[in-house]
Amino acid sequence: KQEVTQIPAALSVPEGENLVLNCSFTDSAIYNLQWFRQDPGKGLTSLLLIQSSQREQTSGRLNASLDKSSGRSTLYIAASQPGDSATYLCASRTGANNLFFGTGTRLTVIP
Amino acid sequence: EPEVTQTPSHQVTQMGQEVILRCVPISNHLYFYWYRQILGQKVEFLVSFYNNEISEKSEIFDDQFSVERPDGSNFTLKIRSTKLEDSAMYFCASSVHGNLVYSNQPQHFGDGTRLSIL
Repeated sequence: KQEVTQIPAALSVPEGENLVLNCSFTDSAIYNLQWFRQDPGKGLTSLLLIQSSQREQTSGRLNASLDKSSGRSTLYIAASQPGDSATYLCASRTGANNLFFGTGTRLTVIP
Repeated sequence: EPEVTQTPSHQVTQMGQEVILRCVPISNHLYFYWYRQILGQKVEFLVSFYNNEISEKSEIFDDQFSVERPDGSNFTLKIRSTKLEDSAMYFCASSVHGNLVYSNQPQHFGDGTRLSIL
């Protein structure tokens, strides 16, 4: 069974700083990896999806990379803003039609 | 932008009672999912649904759970006899496609229903 881990569990940075969130998974036979944002009491907002054939995806200040062979993905956030404060989740899809989620990284950007 | 909507936002139910959670997926989506998140824990897959039948389910999705698409827009999750451990946030999601040929299709999530069992 796929196990997805996210480190660190919590991160606090000053506004404007660049940061990297980490996601690792045990089964490298994934079809895609999706990064989500979760605000308190809210649902999951899809940020980026990387297919297994891709190395990275970019959307605005966000860049996600994927290294299947090492079982890792990173989410890079450039020039962080207080509005980026949220919990960030990664989820991998293997052969089955479902997602395996990590426990998330709670990000706080201090003004 | 189209979104997945879930009702109610919060449901309080006595243990042993039946509960139905409702979802309206994005209109042109064909695959539907339910996930749950127990407070402080990971989001966990429950079930996926396509073409009016279950395509995948997890070990959590036992005989107490059922899903239905009663009409062209709603997708429901029923828990027949709720237990205290069913207390969680339940998320509905949908995607345009679900099979692996379309592995570039993301799943879109609703805001969830918080289910509290007393």
